[in-house]
Amino acid sequence: GAGVSQSPSNKVTEKGKDVELRCDPISGHTALYWYRQSLGQGLEFLIYFQGNSAPDKSGLPSDRFSAERTGGSVSTLTIQRTQQEDSAVYLCASSLGRGAQVLSGELFFGEGSRLTVL
Amino acid sequence: DAKTTQPPSMDCAEGRAANLPCNHSTISGNEYVYWYRQIHSQGPQYIIHGLKNNETNEMASLIITEDRKSSTLILPHATLRDTAVYYCIVRVRDSGYALNFGKGTSLLVTP
Repeated sequence: GAGVSQSPSNKVTEKGKDVELRCDPISGHTALYWYRQSLGQGLEFLIYFQGNSAPDKSGLPSDRFSAERTGGSVSTLTIQRTQQEDSAVYLCASSLGRGAQVLSGELFFGEGSRLTVL
Repeated sequence: DAKTTQPPSMDCAEGRAANLPCNHSTISGNEYVYWYRQIHSQGPQYIIHGLKNNETNEMASLIITEDRKSSTLILPHATLRDTAVYYCIVRVRDSGYALNFGKGTSLLVTP
């Protein structure tokens, strides 16, 4: 597709359940980012993938959060044993990344996945 | 990355210029100034970036002071659709690190 695609757009789950959120970046973008945004708050960085390098996981809030990126393209963010404080919009972004013909370092964001934990 | 300071909120009348300030007094020589905005319920959108020269594109103009310690994003003729949170971010371009978004400035464009 032309832009970053995320699914599901909305997810309601019960406390304690696991959830998976998917991000399909723009074709050819080697860098992929996950952020989350709680209601009324700014964007909180979670994790960053760049090509085949080890991901920067420094923003993951706990070991219940993990992410993978298969084949350098699609990424899945997994939250295990969800808690109510995990409720937020989870945003994915991609960019051309390092070493490419980077014009601006611009990040392209998807529309987000809204997670509600009851 | 250098820290930025922005006013939490601003108002602007429709059709007037919106001037959004950003202080980045600890900016280093290889750090760029980026501006993004986030319209309600949407993902952030890139607006413009610059190093030391003023920049202009179809969306906005970016004025960077000579000492690079502050900048101003200018929306020349604000419309109601420009109501959004505007984020000023300073970062080494393509540094391999994620952009750190602060709280930004909430701009309200009024009729």
